[in-house]
Amino acid sequence: AQSVTQLGSHVSVSEGALVLLRCNYSSSVPPYLFWYVQYPNQGLQLLLKYTSAATLVKGINGFEAEFKKSETSFHLTKPSAHMSDAAEYFCAVSPSGTYKYIFGTGTRLKVLA
Amino acid sequence: KAGVTQTPRYLIKTRGQQVTLSCSPISGHRSVSWYQQTPGQGLQFLFEYFSETQRNKGNFPGRFSGRQFSNSRSEMNVSTLELGDSALYLCASSPNGQTESDTQYFGPGTRLTVL
Repeated sequence: AQSVTQLGSHVSVSEGALVLLRCNYSSSVPPYLFWYVQYPNQGLQLLLKYTSAATLVKGINGFEAEFKKSETSFHLTKPSAHMSDAAEYFCAVSPSGTYKYIFGTGTRLKVLA
Repeated sequence: KAGVTQTPRYLIKTRGQQVTLSCSPISGHRSVSWYQQTPGQGLQFLFEYFSETQRNKGNFPGRFSGRQFSNSRSEMNVSTLELGDSALYLCASSPNGQTESDTQYFGPGTRLTVL
């Protein structure tokens, strides 16, 4: 069964520093991958998605992610963290033909002033 | 376009009761999915509906059920509530329900507390 693993349930970065949130997937074929962000007391908002068109995917709010098949990874990055980036981030995979997402356990990002 | 709406936003019930949650998808979207979010189990898929048909179901007991109406609005029902059912229930809609290419758009969720 396909799954995603997010390393680090909590990540802290200083404002202006690089943000790196890790996601590894298990799949025998290149899957469709997504990153979502959840702010307190809100639903999930799509940041970006990989659909095999390009390995480097740019999303909203300055985030991007690179699909690396050899490493089965889809890490999320942002060059310079902003206080407003503090939230919980979820990586998800969409197994073909199942009409559902499988989510990672989430990474809570804290941005320090 | 209005986003996905869920009602009510907050709900408090007692053990043994039943509850119905409602979801209105984005206009034109035909697929609605439901997820349960808890601190211990994270985000777990409940079920997905497309054109009033349930196409996939997660690993939840039969106490959890859902349906979709002809206007694509969806409801989920939980009977005989247990303390462990306390969670944030998220609804998501997508245009055609082809998750490989479609994006799922999430509502704000319904926070259910079971006492």
